Amino acid sequence: GENVEQHPSTLSVQEGDSAVIKCTYSDSASNYFPWYKQELGKRPQLIIDIRSNVGEKKDQRIAVTLNKTAKHFSLHITETQPEDSAVYFCAALLSGGSYIPTFGRGTSLIVHP
Amino acid sequence: DAGVIQSPRHEVTEMGQEVTLRCKPISGHNSLFWYRQTMMRGLELLIYFNNNVPIDDSGMPEDRFSAKMPNASFSTLKIQPSEPRDSAVYFCASSRDTSYEQYFGPGTRLTVT
Repeated sequence: GENVEQHPSTLSVQEGDSAVIKCTYSDSASNYFPWYKQELGKRPQLIIDIRSNVGEKKDQRIAVTLNKTAKHFSLHITETQPEDSAVYFCAALLSGGSYIPTFGRGTSLIVHP
Repeated sequence: DAGVIQSPRHEVTEMGQEVTLRCKPISGHNSLFWYRQTMMRGLELLIYFNNNVPIDDSGMPEDRFSAKMPNASFSTLKIQPSEPRDSAVYFCASSRDTSYEQYFGPGTRLTVT
């Protein structure tokens, strides 16, 4: 089955800095990679996703990059703000198949004002 | 749409008691997932249903856990008998199928004393 490793487990940055969270996956057949944000005491919510036919996707201050050869993908947040503080989860799965998403362990991002 | 609905939001029970968690997925979604989240183990998939049929229950910890989906708009996760180590937040999520974005419910915080 799929195995997803996520690093770092905690990340502390100053407001305005950039933050990068990295994930690696094991199953080369995986082709869909969503990122979820979970604020304290709330539910995980999708913030961005990428499919294996593209290498990068951006949405305002958030971007995700994918390296299929190396089997890793990363979340980039620029100009971080205190409201970006949350736990971020990456996941990998085979879109269109019977697979289910495998989640990383999560990264706790703290943005200091 | 009200999103995924879970009840109760909080449950405190004594060891040995039966616990039933409930979930109403988003209308039109045909896949439903039950997750357990703890600090130690992160987000774990317990079981998922597709078109009301259990597809993969390999994540269910042991026979004390059972899940049902009698129709497209309702699912239950039952723990009998409950133990203190079952204390966690239990999330239900639904999606249009196993390959699309998952929408999480608000979760049920279970405490077993």
